[in-house]
Amino acid sequence: TQLLEQSPQFLSIQEGENLTVYCNSSSVFSSLQWYRQEPGEGPVLLVTVVTGGEVKKLKRLTFQFGDARKDSSLHITAAQPGDTGLYLCAGAEAGSYQLTFGKGTKLSVIP
Amino acid sequence: GAVVSQHPSWVICKSGTSVKIECRSLDFQATTMFWYRQFPKQSLMLMATSNEGSKATYEQGVEKDKFLINHASLTLSTLTVTSAHPEDSSFYICSASPQDNTGELFFGEGSRLTVL
Repeated sequence: TQLLEQSPQFLSIQEGENLTVYCNSSSVFSSLQWYRQEPGEGPVLLVTVVTGGEVKKLKRLTFQFGDARKDSSLHITAAQPGDTGLYLCAGAEAGSYQLTFGKGTKLSVIP
Repeated sequence: GAVVSQHPSWVICKSGTSVKIECRSLDFQATTMFWYRQFPKQSLMLMATSNEGSKATYEQGVEKDKFLINHASLTLSTLTVTSAHPEDSSFYICSASPQDNTGELFFGEGSRLTVL
């Protein structure tokens, strides 16, 4: 069973600050996805990374996939209250749609 | 992006009754759908993989006779919680992947089940 360790579990920061969320595993994933979930709703896909070393930017969010495809990070620049939510990383094995989820990072951005 | 819809969004039922939750892919066909369960402040836990036209594959520890899954068409999967008990109260979420994409999953809005 592949496991994804996500850290930190909770993060509370002031508006305007930067933050990084980490997702680590001892296993190799063919792709890794990041989701954002708001209370009472399903997760919404933010990005998929598939190539080792890949960096993708989505406005103020920067996603990186480790060279060995075992880890990933999400960096948010100048966080805003609207960024508040649960951020989940999820990895997929080669040839499978099935995802292994991290435990999530609950982010609170204080105005 | 692709749209997945779940119904109902929330349901309250008495202990011992059965509840059916539907998951529909609105603008694409999905041969495989997934059902998850999420407890408050926790991540998603995969319950089962639903395959169109065949039996679902259940994760270890998930009772297949209690959580009945039917994937009758390429756009619809249903999860029936049979003889529900208060400990079955949870947030149930489905996901589906278009047949021709890179494996990205799109999630339904989730269904909040409360068993009294």
